Amino acid sequence: QVHLVQSGAEVKKPGSSVRVSCKASGGDFSSVTILWVRQAPGQGLEWMGGIIPMDGTPDYAPKFQGRVTITTEEPTNTAYMELSSLTSEDTAVYYCARGGGGFGEFLDYWGQGTLVTVSS
Amino acid sequence: IVLTQSPGTLSLSPGERATLSCRASQTVISSYLAWYQQKPGQAPRLLIYGAFNRATGIPDRFSGSGSATDFTLTISRLEPEDFAVYYCQQYGGLQYTFGQGTKLEIK
Repeated sequence: QVHLVQSGAEVKKPGSSVRVSCKASGGDFSSVTILWVRQAPGQGLEWMGGIIPMDGTPDYAPKFQGRVTITTEEPTNTAYMELSSLTSEDTAVYYCARGGGGFGEFLDYWGQGTLVTVSS
Repeated sequence: IVLTQSPGTLSLSPGERATLSCRASQTVISSYLAWYQQKPGQAPRLLIYGAFNRATGIPDRFSGSGSATDFTLTISRLEPEDFAVYYCQQYGGLQYTFGQGTKLEIK
């Protein structure tokens, strides 16, 4: 069984950066797609980007290009999402998820979510 | 590709049939259309992938159908635990998009 365990809640100041981790266990890590999705309070799901660890080249949603960095650390099966230049609109729960299927086209396992609160 | 779900809110009673719609602004490859269920305070759970394939452990009262720009999630007979928010999602061109969600509430 695949498990994705994320780092704990964060409170950040506007203009700062946040880094969220996602540790995978119970399945292959290197050749699957790891995706990041966020959900603002009371809102829907928003894809931010993804990466295949063995490939190492991330894809980002246009909205977040230039402000998000997704990386992986294969020896520890951990993925990271760093978001910079935070504003109050970045207050959200951030999820990592595994892309299932031949092209990672659906999200079959999810982390528990990490609440990031941006407040002065 | 923009996904538009309807209705925004659906009020039904346990035992009734639920039909949720997901309309795409452009043709979606059926293999790349999925549905998720999300309950308050929880991560989304995959229900359907490839438009009509149930994910592991999903009861057969959940079914998916459709093609091109119109997709449907049907819950044949609602159980109390089915009241939640449902999202459709598509993948294409290395990009993922979600619909805005349909809230299924108890009438």
